[in-house]
Amino acid sequence: GENVEQHPSTLSVQEGDSAVIKCTYSDSASNYFPWYKQELGKGPQLIIDIRSNVGEKKDQRIAVTLNKTAKHFSLHITETQPEDSAVYFCPGGDSSYKLIFGSGTRLLVRP
Amino acid sequence: DAGITQSPRYKITETGRQVTLMCHQTWSHSYMFWYRQDLGHGLRLIYYSAAADITDKGEVPDGYVVSRSKTENFPLTLESATRSQTSVYFCASSWETNEKLFFGSGTQLSVL
Repeated sequence: GENVEQHPSTLSVQEGDSAVIKCTYSDSASNYFPWYKQELGKGPQLIIDIRSNVGEKKDQRIAVTLNKTAKHFSLHITETQPEDSAVYFCPGGDSSYKLIFGSGTRLLVRP
Repeated sequence: DAGITQSPRYKITETGRQVTLMCHQTWSHSYMFWYRQDLGHGLRLIYYSAAADITDKGEVPDGYVVSRSKTENFPLTLESATRSQTSVYFCASSWETNEKLFFGSGTQLSVL
């Protein structure tokens, strides 16, 4: 099955700076790469996703880039704000629907 | 209201008791999932279901039972609760594989 590794496990940035979280996957056949954000006391929410036929996707301050050769995809958050503080997940799984979330990355944006 | 709802929001029980956590979605999504979230372990998949009457084990299925007699409901039962099952439980659903998961608000379960 798919193995996804996420780094770093924790990230602290100053408000206004950029944050980058990276996920490495093992299965070359993977074709869907989502990012979820979980705020305290809530369930995770999809914030952006990308398919394998696209190299980059942006949505305002958030972007996801995909490097199929190196088998990694990254979440980029620019001009970080305190409300970006949360846990971010890049779930992976086998070829069907068994999505494994792991421990995620805890992002802290310092005001 | 449309969406995915979990009940109860909070539950306290004692070891050895049977507990059922409910999950209901109004979109007729085919796929449904149960996760548990614990400090230090992130989100772990307990069971998932591709359709009514089709369920399969996830990463940590021991001690749990699921059923899916109707597309919209996916209850999770702890047949004999243990303290190690104290956790926050999230239900999720999606239309298809490799599509967005919609999560419920979670059930915080304490087993004393």
